[in-house]
Amino acid sequence: NAGVTQTPKFQVLKTGQSMTLQCAQDMNHEYMSWYRQDPGMGLRLIHYSVGAGITDQGEVPNGYNVSRSTTEDFPLRLLSAAPSQTSVYFCASRRDTLAYGYTFGSGTRLTVV
Amino acid sequence: GENVEQHPSTLSVQEGDSAVIKCTYSDSASNYFPWYKQELGKGPQLIIDIRSNVGEKKDQRIAVTLNKTAKHFSLHITETQPEDSAVYFCADSGTSGTYKYIFGTGTRLKVLA
Repeated sequence: NAGVTQTPKFQVLKTGQSMTLQCAQDMNHEYMSWYRQDPGMGLRLIHYSVGAGITDQGEVPNGYNVSRSTTEDFPLRLLSAAPSQTSVYFCASRRDTLAYGYTFGSGTRLTVV
Repeated sequence: GENVEQHPSTLSVQEGDSAVIKCTYSDSASNYFPWYKQELGKGPQLIIDIRSNVGEKKDQRIAVTLNKTAKHFSLHITETQPEDSAVYFCADSGTSGTYKYIFGTGTRLKVLA
């Protein structure tokens, strides 16, 4: 099993550009999330989905959109990139909404200049 | 709101010694507490978890203890090895119906050979 696959691994954007971070999982997990990781701030939840067609906001949703058309895919869209969005982004999935551990992807390091 | 405090932020131990990392949570109704290990350039990986109906759980050199009265839980690593060097995150599953995990800010553990 590949687990959780994120692409790209690295990306540099100019301020104002848009892009989509891809996330796919092959474990048939219902619950998927996007986190950003910044130095000294741990992992902060951006958006999450409890199943295909259902998404909701996390702690820091501004500037990001998500959709969940299939169980496998959960892309994260940056609408108009800002330097404050420079971060490492992690996609994670878990079996369902009950308390189980996450499987994380390997991350996307994004720099906005 | 809910939060998780994690201490210390950095920890250096001699190879073979023990390491202890502590997290304090705020919501007494929380019932699931996972620990993640993040190696450089990789995504966090679940290493052990504990549910609120038990006080301790062990897996070889790793153990987690939970004190519900004091609302804290700790990760214990015995006989530390250089490969234990990483950043460790605790998390609190929260009590909302969708279990939006709250992560601690991380502890950088260095095991000195």
